[in-house]
Amino acid sequence: GAVVSQHPSWVICKSGTSVKIECRSLDFQATTMFWYRQFPKQSLMLMATSNEGSKATYEQGVEKDKFLINHASLTLSTLTVTSAHPEDSSFYICSAPTGTGTSPLHFGNGTRLTVT
Amino acid sequence: AQSVTQLDSQVPVFEEAPVELRCNYSSSVSVYLFWYVQYPNQGLQLLLKYLSGSTLVKGINGFEAEFNKSQTSFHLRKPSVHISDTAEYFCAVSDHTGGFKTIFGAGTRLFVKA
Repeated sequence: GAVVSQHPSWVICKSGTSVKIECRSLDFQATTMFWYRQFPKQSLMLMATSNEGSKATYEQGVEKDKFLINHASLTLSTLTVTSAHPEDSSFYICSAPTGTGTSPLHFGNGTRLTVT
Repeated sequence: AQSVTQLDSQVPVFEEAPVELRCNYSSSVSVYLFWYVQYPNQGLQLLLKYLSGSTLVKGINGFEAEFNKSQTSFHLRKPSVHISDTAEYFCAVSDHTGGFKTIFGAGTRLFVKA
């Protein structure tokens, strides 16, 4: 079945630094990918829709300059958390539909970000 | 706009007992409905989906769900649970107009006790 690979699975960084998270579709092309954020014991909050070859679409309340999204190819989307702060610590998950008309989402295994 | 409500935040149940996890949705257009399961520190795995046709949908691990349009519900059921079913379960809705954008419910923690 379709596989989405997310890297790294966990990362610890110092406050003020930037962290890049990669999301790859391994056996299918994804013109669209979604980035979610999940706080402990809470649901997934859609942050943005990543569109191959164009700008990402951000959900209301999500800072575009803080969460930079790049979708440079049909198999790779990246989320960069810039100038990270402890409140950015969270579980970030990417997903992608396989592109057929009724496909569900395929999820990466998530990235646990801890900002110290 | 779409929304999803999962009525129970936690559901404790004994092993081999039946379970139902409730989900209601609202949308102004036709939707696709999904149930996903999440194990600790992992991404989500699809359990089952309703796209069209038969309202009773069977998924993996013995789970099934029934789409009820009049009640706008999509409850998840399993006749006999196992310890390994302990996880977080998310109901989700999407439609074509949003380009597969999927909205999730708050989640239900299923805790299976021996």
